[in-house]
Amino acid sequence: AQRVTQPEKLLSVFKGAPVELKCNYSYSGSPELFWYVQYSRQRLQLLLRHISRESIKGFTADLNKGETSFHLKKPFAQEEDSAMYYCALVDHTGTASKLTFGTGTRLQVTL
Amino acid sequence: SAVISQKPSRDICQRGTSLTIQCQVDSQVTMMFWYRQQPGQSLTLIATANQGSEATYESGFVIDKFPISRPNLTFSTLTVSNMSPEDSSIYLCSVEDVRTSSYEQYFGPGTRLTVT
Repeated sequence: AQRVTQPEKLLSVFKGAPVELKCNYSYSGSPELFWYVQYSRQRLQLLLRHISRESIKGFTADLNKGETSFHLKKPFAQEEDSAMYYCALVDHTGTASKLTFGTGTRLQVTL
Repeated sequence: SAVISQKPSRDICQRGTSLTIQCQVDSQVTMMFWYRQQPGQSLTLIATANQGSEATYESGFVIDKFPISRPNLTFSTLTVSNMSPEDSSIYLCSVEDVRTSSYEQYFGPGTRLTVT
């Protein structure tokens, strides 16, 4: 069954420290993954799509099919990175494609 | 990306009543989705709404409880029927950006529902 696992509910780091938000997936087909972010009092918004291999706000994420992972990384955390981060997997197994979300990780960047 | 609005932004309702949530998009979209986000939880897909066809519900969600309308390509409604306190949640609509062909979705601001 398709599943997205984000093992950490809360990740607290100091400003300037590296960040790694973990995401593991279980999917029978070829995976397509996203990272979404929700800042305080804002709507959920797309941060990264694995297919484009881009860097947004200093964040990158590499799909590792061998480890079935799509971890989100940033070399130097900033205060404004504090938010809720969700990993999402495209599920093509039903009649229509849909997103399956992980449980989310709250990133807290402190001074 | 599409601009999505939802009404109401929040409401407090009595148990046994129903609330209809509206979702408006500034462009025509094929796929619209309705999610529930319970306090401290992740997003759970309720149903997928395509224009001109019946909504497709996920396991654990039924049409009698969450009827959905999709009258055109820019609008949808979700009704939460016969509410109980367990229905207290944030309800989100989203649309898929078919232009990118990447299945990414864009979300509305959500409707915060409290059932007393």
